[in-house]
Amino acid sequence: SQTIHQWPATLVQPVGSPLSLECTVEGTSNPNLYWYRQAAGRGLQLLFYSVGIGQISSEVPQNLSASRPQDRQFILSSKKLLLSDSGFYLCAWSSGQANNSPLHFGNGTRLTVT
Amino acid sequence: LAKTTQPISMDSYEGQEVNITCSHNNIATNDYITWYQQFPSQGPRFIIQGYKTKVTNEVASLFIPADRKSSTLSLPRVSLSDTAVYYCLVGDIGNQGGKLIFGQGTELSVKP
Repeated sequence: SQTIHQWPATLVQPVGSPLSLECTVEGTSNPNLYWYRQAAGRGLQLLFYSVGIGQISSEVPQNLSASRPQDRQFILSSKKLLLSDSGFYLCAWSSGQANNSPLHFGNGTRLTVT
Repeated sequence: LAKTTQPISMDSYEGQEVNITCSHNNIATNDYITWYQQFPSQGPRFIIQGYKTKVTNEVASLFIPADRKSSTLSLPRVSLSDTAVYYCLVGDIGNQGGKLIFGQGTELSVKP
């Protein structure tokens, strides 16, 4: 069966520090990968999505970036965090082979920028 | 991209049937409708998906009218554990990925 792993679960970082969040998927090949952010309250904001290695589409340019160095690995990065980067970051995958594959989410990373 | 509109919140009591409607007036021909459930500090979880008419699984039913401009998630006999935020997502997920934009969701509160 397929599983998705995100780490760390929680993170407290000072303003101006770098960020690296990692997400890996097991049990499937060539998945579509997504990064979402959820600020306090509700609403899932799409940050990046990727349909293959090295293929990244950005929805929120700002100071965040994403990379996909391997087929089942998706990394969210920042060189200098802002207070406004605080939030709940969620990685998700869907099948790249099957039509109508729903999104499957990880357990998220709670980031607090101080 | 199809924009979705849902009620911000709903209240219900245990044992009742709950219907949450999502409007998506500009749904495209290739778009599917998918509903997710999210508990605090967890990732959303897939509930049900459909393209047209009615779909039923072990936890919910999804009703989609012929024009597909709206959809209704039906939760039979809710319990306290169904208290969560429910999201309607409309998109062409068969298109090998791409933009999948969530709406604001509906916060369902189930009371004893």
